[in-house]
Amino acid sequence: EIVLTQAPGTLSLSPGERATLSCRASQTITSNYLAWYQQKPGQAPRLLIYSVSRRATGIPDRFSGSGSGTDFTLTINRLEPEDFAVYYCQQYSDSPVTFGGGTRVEIK
Amino acid sequence: QVQMVQSGAEVKKPGASVKVSCKTSGYTFTGHHIHWVRQAPGQGLEWMGWINPNSGGTNTAQKFRGRVIMTRDPSISTAYMELTSLTSDDTAVYYCARDICSGGSCNELDYWGQGTLVTVSS
Repeated sequence: EIVLTQAPGTLSLSPGERATLSCRASQTITSNYLAWYQQKPGQAPRLLIYSVSRRATGIPDRFSGSGSGTDFTLTINRLEPEDFAVYYCQQYSDSPVTFGGGTRVEIK
Repeated sequence: QVQMVQSGAEVKKPGASVKVSCKTSGYTFTGHHIHWVRQAPGQGLEWMGWINPNSGGTNTAQKFRGRVIMTRDPSISTAYMELTSLTSDDTAVYYCARDICSGGSCNELDYWGQGTLVTVSS
């Protein structure tokens, strides 16, 4: 099973700053099969990015994804108040589908 | 608009089974796989498997094989996930989620249910 390690565990930033979240895989992710989700307290996850860099419907362009192989990044430019949440990466390159442990982006 | 509405919270005793429903609307039910993902309190996300609502075929994570039964009723656009032989480790919020792809499994989950809390306690 592919293990995804997200770093840092918590990111403390101010609105307007840039957030850079890392997701490292234990094995190479093929065919760009990596996605990112946002989850707020008491809510279901929301798909942000799929295929490494494709934004899901309705996701603002301040969210961007990049990476290849085993190292992937989610960047949030100019943090808005509604962006403070937990973010999970997900791989679907190999079965079973697995998620990272999450990065919490909190207000500094 | 696409909606996925799950059944309400459940409290079960160890050894029992639970069946969670996921009623969909706003799209062709048979066109998209439905996945099940769970989240233990304060923890991350764990994928359990998917069902093809058209054929009824399933793909279950090895960890849950033999304990998870995924079914569907196309006549009411509803998917079900039954988990048997419950232990306290199964206490979690269970989510259904729609696969973004039509006609196949891309494993990208674009619409989610609101979640169903299952508590296992003696």
